[in-house]
Amino acid sequence: NAGVTQTPKFQVLKTGQSMTLQCAQDMNHEYMSWYRQDPGMGLRLIHYSVGAGITDQGEVPNGYNVSRSTTEDFPLRLLSAAPSQTSVYFCASSYSAEVGEGYTFGSGTRLTVV
Amino acid sequence: TQLLEQSPQFLSIQEGENLTVYCNSSSVFSSLQWYRQEPGEGPVLLVTVVTGGEVKKLKRLTFQFGDARKDSSLHITAAQPGDTGLYLCAGHLYNDYKLSFGAGTTVTVRA
Repeated sequence: NAGVTQTPKFQVLKTGQSMTLQCAQDMNHEYMSWYRQDPGMGLRLIHYSVGAGITDQGEVPNGYNVSRSTTEDFPLRLLSAAPSQTSVYFCASSYSAEVGEGYTFGSGTRLTVV
Repeated sequence: TQLLEQSPQFLSIQEGENLTVYCNSSSVFSSLQWYRQEPGEGPVLLVTVVTGGEVKKLKRLTFQFGDARKDSSLHITAAQPGDTGLYLCAGHLYNDYKLSFGAGTTVTVRA
C-alpha cells in the first residue's frame, strides 16, 4: 500500500501565483486533513474533511481552498501565494473522524514563495 | 498560544541515558497521541492514550496520560541514537474532530 501520497515534494512559487498541492490515499480513509509546519510552531490545521463532499476550516484557513469530490483525493489550493505561506505542508488521513484514531501522514510538500 | 505545551523544546543526551518529554494543557482531552518525525518525513504515530491515568509501554518508550486528562509524558529508557527525532504530542478535545499538535521536542541522542 502506498498510504498517503503528496505531490510535488518541492515547489517554488512567485508571489501572486496559484497552485494545487495534491494528496491521495489508498486506505479508504474517511477523514483527511491538511497541516502546515513552521519552525517552533508545530503543525497547524488548515482544512479538514470528514468524508467526500464535506469540508471545514481549521485553525489557519485564510488563503487556502479545499474540495473533496472523492474519498481518495483531497487537494489544497493556494489562491494567490504570499511569502507567509512558505512552509512545509502535510496531508494526513485516518480511518474515521472518531476521536483517538491515529493519523497517517504523507511525506510533505516543501513550498517556498518568493 | 498553543493548546498543548511541550517541554523541553530541545533535549540532547548521551546514548544510554534516560529522558522524559512533557505535554501539558489547561484543557481536558478525550485522547492524546504521540508521534515521532524524522527530517524530511511526515510524523509517524507511536501511541494513542484514551483513559485518564493510562500507562502504555512500547519497548523502551513509556507513555502516560494524566489522571485529569490534561497532560501526558513520554519516557525513554536507555536512549539510542535511533531515538533521535522530533517528538510531537497531539490531542482531541471532547466532541471535536480536529487534532491539535504541540510545537514538539527535538531529541538528539549522541553515540
